Amino acid sequence: KQEVTQIPAALSVPEGENLVLNCSFTDSAIYNLQWFRQDPGKGLTSLLLIQSSQREQTSGRLNASLDKSSGRSTLYIAASQPGDSATYLCAVSGAAGNKLTFGGGTRVLVKP
Amino acid sequence: DAGVIQSPRHEVTEMGQEVTLRCKPISGHNSLFWYRQTMMRGLELLIYFNNNVPIDDSGMPEDRFSAKMPNASFSTLKIQPSEPRDSAVYFCASSLDIATNEKLFFGSGTQLSVL
Repeated sequence: KQEVTQIPAALSVPEGENLVLNCSFTDSAIYNLQWFRQDPGKGLTSLLLIQSSQREQTSGRLNASLDKSSGRSTLYIAASQPGDSATYLCAVSGAAGNKLTFGGGTRVLVKP
Repeated sequence: DAGVIQSPRHEVTEMGQEVTLRCKPISGHNSLFWYRQTMMRGLELLIYFNNNVPIDDSGMPEDRFSAKMPNASFSTLKIQPSEPRDSAVYFCASSLDIATNEKLFFGSGTQLSVL
């Protein structure tokens, strides 16, 4: 059974610092991995999707890397801003057509 | 597109009552998912549909839970009878096609409180 872990559960950084969020999964046979953002009281917004054949994906200040063999993904957010404060979740899919397994999330606070 | 639309946004009910949550997926999306989120268990997939057909309902906790998708633009999740431990945020999500594992788009959720 796939298990997804995100450590730390919470993170606080000063504005302008780069953010590094970690995600690990136990079964390396994944189809893809997604990073989501969740604001308080809101649904999840998909940030980046990395196919299993890819090593990384980039969107603006966000960069996500994937190392299937070690069962890890990292989300980098450059030059953090207070508006980046949210909970970030990663999720993996085991196969095409399979359901996503979510990590517990990392709650991020960017202090002005 | 307005995105995935869920109703109601908040529901407060008494134990034993029937609760119906509604979802309208993004037009053109073939796959629909129901998730439940709690502090203790995080996000759990309850059931998902592809082309209106339930594919995997192994996450449905008990027979008290049922879900339907009568057409491509509407789905319901029903709890009957409801219990306090069902209190959670219920999310509906849709994607273009689960076979290709496209990005998942979530609704704003229904906050359910069972007293």
